[in-house]
Amino acid sequence: SQTIHQWPATLVQPVGSPLSLECTVEGTSNPNLYWYRQAAGRGLQLLFYSVGIGQISSEVPQNLSASRPQDRQFILSSKKLLLSDSGFYLCACLNPRGAWETQYFGPGTRLLVL
Amino acid sequence: AQSVSQHNHHVILSEAASLELGCNYSYGGTVNLFWYVQYPGQHLQLLLKYFSGDPLVKGIKGFEAEFIKSKFSFNLRKPSVQWSDTAEYFCAFYREADRGSTLGRLYFGRGTQLTVWP
Repeated sequence: SQTIHQWPATLVQPVGSPLSLECTVEGTSNPNLYWYRQAAGRGLQLLFYSVGIGQISSEVPQNLSASRPQDRQFILSSKKLLLSDSGFYLCACLNPRGAWETQYFGPGTRLLVL
Repeated sequence: AQSVSQHNHHVILSEAASLELGCNYSYGGTVNLFWYVQYPGQHLQLLLKYFSGDPLVKGIKGFEAEFIKSKFSFNLRKPSVQWSDTAEYFCAFYREADRGSTLGRLYFGRGTQLTVWP
C-alpha cells in the first residue's frame, strides 16, 4: 500500500517569505497527486492536482503554485506568503489502477504565517 | 455546482450515545460516496465507502452509513460511541462523470467535529 510523506510537519513563516512544501509517495507508481488546504470549519479545499509529471491543474487561483518534477514528488510553493495562507496542507494520492477512487492522505503540514 | 453539505459543525455526545452525522450531496448523476475520519494528530483516513450494491455499508470501528439516493444523502451512524471516536469526520463524493479524465476528484464537506465525553 502507498505511503505519503510530507515535510516539514510544522512551519512558521513571515508574511512575504517564500514557501516550499514537499510531498513524496512510496508504494505506487504514476499516481494522481493532490494538494488540499484544510482550514478550521471549512473542510478540505482542493488546491492543485496532477495526473502525471509536469502536469498541474489549479482549482483555485491564488498566490500558490505546484510542481511535479518526478512521478512521486509533488511540491507546493509560493513566492510571497500571505497571512491567509495559514492552514493545514494535505497531500493525497490516488492510484487509478488500484483501490478505485480511494484517496490516501499524508500527515499534513501545519503552516502559520505571521 | 457540485457540493457536499454536512449539517452539524460540532457534535458533543456522552459515551454509549448513538450517533448520526448528516451528509447531503448535490449532483444529479452517479456518485461514489465516502466518509473520512481524522483523529487528533493523525492522518485523514478512509472510514467507509459506497460504490454500488447494498446501500447500507459498514466501515471500520462499528461505523455504518446508508445511501439514500432519493434524498441525496449518505448519513453516518454508530449505535454506541466511545471516547476514542472523538475526531473530525468528512463526507465526500466522487462523480462518475470524472472517470474518463482519470482525475478522481473528490468533493468534500466542511467536516463535523465529534467530541465524546467519557
